[in-house]
Order: sequence, then structure tokens, then C-alpha cells
Amino acid sequence: QSALTQPASVSGSPGQSITISCTGTSSDVGGYNYVSWYQQHPGKAPKLMIYEVSNRPSGVPDRFSGSKSDNTASLTISGLQAEDEADYYCSSYTSTSALGVFGGGTKLTVL
Amino acid sequence: QLQLQESGPGLVKPSETLSLTCTVSGGSITSSSYYWGWFRQPPGKGLEWIGSIYYSGITYYNPSLKSRVTISVDTSKSQFSLKVTSVTAADTAVYYCARLVSTWYAFDIWGQGTMVTVSS
Repeated sequence: QSALTQPASVSGSPGQSITISCTGTSSDVGGYNYVSWYQQHPGKAPKLMIYEVSNRPSGVPDRFSGSKSDNTASLTISGLQAEDEADYYCSSYTSTSALGVFGGGTKLTVL
Repeated sequence: QLQLQESGPGLVKPSETLSLTCTVSGGSITSSSYYWGWFRQPPGKGLEWIGSIYYSGITYYNPSLKSRVTISVDTSKSQFSLKVTSVTAADTAVYYCARLVSTWYAFDIWGQGTMVTVSS
């Protein structure tokens, strides 16, 4: 069982917006602004999409945005595109371990 | 542009030791801004953080694997390595190495991954 809780799957149509949630505790998501999100296409390595809750690395489209409220972080993808279909993982620093914690992943299907 | 490349045997026998190396190119492994990590992903499952290492040799391990895992660094070769002892079929996975930006606490660069199968 993963330390952070994500929905197993979400779906949306092209052009729509979707949000993926990532729920933790006050020891991780709620206590620190070190939440990151990764996109993984089948057979590929994960790619960093969001760091420090809401920052995008260079090259990541601004359709991707992140936020946090209490113990839940969220990844929102607006203007959904077919290429966004992938697995998404959240991660957070935690005070209870020298390593961070990951969510179990969410499969995004673009209908 | 910094790149990471995993290397090692793709097939390991049960009870033996899995050994992988990650070679860092296009940048310095000794930068104080980064840690270096190992992950694995069993077929069809999520990511598991195995552990991380700083260029000075400081290591952090996943408690669930700590008794069987060793991560080391060779700065002269710009490499860091992973050893997992007494492997079983449950250790079959794609293994990734990655760079952790310490100020972001996020992994910004990943290797392509290497599949390791544990089978006799």
C-alpha cells in the first residue's frame, strides 16, 4: 500500500480539464511544499512535470498545473490532448523517512 | 546536457546478487545540489524508491529493502551502483536511476531504465 493515495484512474475528452488528487498526511503533503508530479508513458521513464507543489520545469506546457490544500495535492491538466494519456505519480517529502513517499499512480485515459 | 544510463545483467538467478551501475555523463556527479537515486517498477505496478546516495557516500535506504540493498558511488568514474542480495522473483522489475534536485526534492533527470528478470 502506497503512502500517498491517488485514484486508480481518471478520464477526460480532448479539450477538457481533469484533476488528479494525491492525499497524504500532515507529515508529508500537508506539512511541506515539496510535492512533485511525474508523467510516465508505457515503456518510458518517468518525467518530472511539477515540483514544489506548483512549479513547472522548463519545457513542460502550462496546461499542467499543481496546487495543494491541507493534506491533498492536485495536478490539473487543462486542454486535454491525446498525448497526455499516461500514468501520473505524485511524490512528497516526509518527516517520517529519509526518503520521500510516492503515490500508487493514476492512469489517465483520453477518451 | 546531463544523461543517466543504467547497465548490468538483464537476468539474475534466484538467491544471487543483482548488480547495476548508473553512469552520469554531461555533468558532474559531485555537485552539492544533487542526490542520486535508484527506483524500481515491477511489471504493471507503481514506482518504488529503493534508496539514494550523495556524492560523499551518505546513503538512505527504503526500510523494506534495507537489509538486502547497498548503494555506492565512484566519483572517479562518475558512476553510482546498486546491489540487491538474495533476489527472488519479486525483485523482477525495471530499474531506474535518477537525479534528485535537493532544493526541489524532486527527480528531474531519469535514466531510460533497465529490465532485470530473476529466474533460473
